[in-house]
Amino acid sequence: QVQLLESGPGLVKPSETLSLNCNVSGGSVDLYYWSWIRHSPGEGLEWIGHIYYTGNTNYNPSLKSRVSISIDASKDQFTLNLMSVTAADTAVYYCASLSHYNTHWYFGLWSRGTRVIVSS
Amino acid sequence: TVLTQSPGALSVSPGERVTLSCRASRSLNSNYLSWYQLRPGQAPRLLIYGATTRASGIPDRFSGSGSGTDFTLTITSLEPEDSAVYYCQEYDTSPWTFGPGTKVEIK
Repeated sequence: QVQLLESGPGLVKPSETLSLNCNVSGGSVDLYYWSWIRHSPGEGLEWIGHIYYTGNTNYNPSLKSRVSISIDASKDQFTLNLMSVTAADTAVYYCASLSHYNTHWYFGLWSRGTRVIVSS
Repeated sequence: TVLTQSPGALSVSPGERVTLSCRASRSLNSNYLSWYQLRPGQAPRLLIYGATTRASGIPDRFSGSGSGTDFTLTITSLEPEDSAVYYCQEYDTSPWTFGPGTKVEIK
């Protein structure tokens, strides 16, 4: 059974880069698209972006200037980098699979989430 | 697209029926709307996509309905493990957005 396991620091200083990894356990990254979603008290749930195993990406325009998602198929993992963070980026970050059936897209499998606090 | 959910929270006894509403600021093509369940400390779970299609492994007490701008998630015969926050999400136009959620508490 495919599971998503996140790793990364829980505390990031303002202006630095938030970096999280998501390991696809029990499966391969060429199964689906892969997404990052965050949940903050102020903004609720927010789609950050997604990547296909080919490297094609799609980002939320509100974060596009600061976000980068990459994938390492040899390790079955994908990575979120969010630059120049501020307190507003404090949130629980989830990685998730993005699947589709016909034209319907859905986040079918989620990680448990990692709480990241931006503070000096 | 802005999604509005109502009510914001409710407290319900086990066995009761729950109806959650999600309204979109504009009509969604092909009912491109999903529902997710978030429970503390657990991975979020997909319940419904395409407004009405139950995801694999989801109990049939969960059902989705609606079209256009108005959608509903119904939980018949509420179970204690259904205590959670429920979010609707549209995938009609980018950036995909989520509603603010409805918190369901068990009495």
